[in-house]
Amino acid sequence: QVQLQESGPGLVKPSQTLSLTCTVSGGSISSGDYYWSWIRQSPGKGLEWIGYIYYSGSTHYNPSLKSRVSISVDTSKNQFSLKLSSVTAADTAVYYCARSQYQLLVIEHWFDPWGQGTLVTVSS
Amino acid sequence: EIVMTQSPATLSVSPGERATLSCRASQSVSSNLAWYQQKPGQAPRLLIYDASTRATGIPARFSGSGSGTEFTLTISSLQSEDFAVYFCQQYNNWPPYTFGQGTRLEIK
Repeated sequence: QVQLQESGPGLVKPSQTLSLTCTVSGGSISSGDYYWSWIRQSPGKGLEWIGYIYYSGSTHYNPSLKSRVSISVDTSKNQFSLKLSSVTAADTAVYYCARSQYQLLVIEHWFDPWGQGTLVTVSS
Repeated sequence: EIVMTQSPATLSVSPGERATLSCRASQSVSSNLAWYQQKPGQAPRLLIYDASTRATGIPARFSGSGSGTEFTLTISSLQSEDFAVYFCQQYNNWPPYTFGQGTRLEIK
């Protein structure tokens, strides 16, 4: 059974870059059967999809965050990563990684499973 | 961007009774809607996709219905473990995927 685990700093200073990694166990990112997403949750904005990546490196981002977001994949480590630049207090949230299935050239656009989440606070 | 609105914000129901949660889209999303359950300190868990298809391992007491702009999640006989927050998510018009703000289901 696949498991996802987020990791990274819990505190980031304003204007700096938030960096998180999601490690996938129990399955291979390189299988090509899934897309891999980042989603965040904050009291103010609720659940917000940030973007996703395919093992090939193909990405799609939320237009509202596109100018600040970069998602990358490291198939050798079975990980994918998120970078969010120029952070402010509004970027304080629990960040989740999640998986979407890709079958017969069709993305199943729901998320299952999710990682346990990691709280990132933006503060000086 | 499609806005998803859930109602009510909080629903109080007694164990064993039926709960009905609503989700409305700002424009048609066809049947491209999912429901998730989230318990305190946990990640969301997929319950329903394509508006009415239960995810693997989800009990039959959970059912989804609707299409277009109006959707319903029904829990037929509430168990203690069902008290949680429920979110809907549309995936008809993306990016971005968008979520509702959630309905908190509490014990009456």
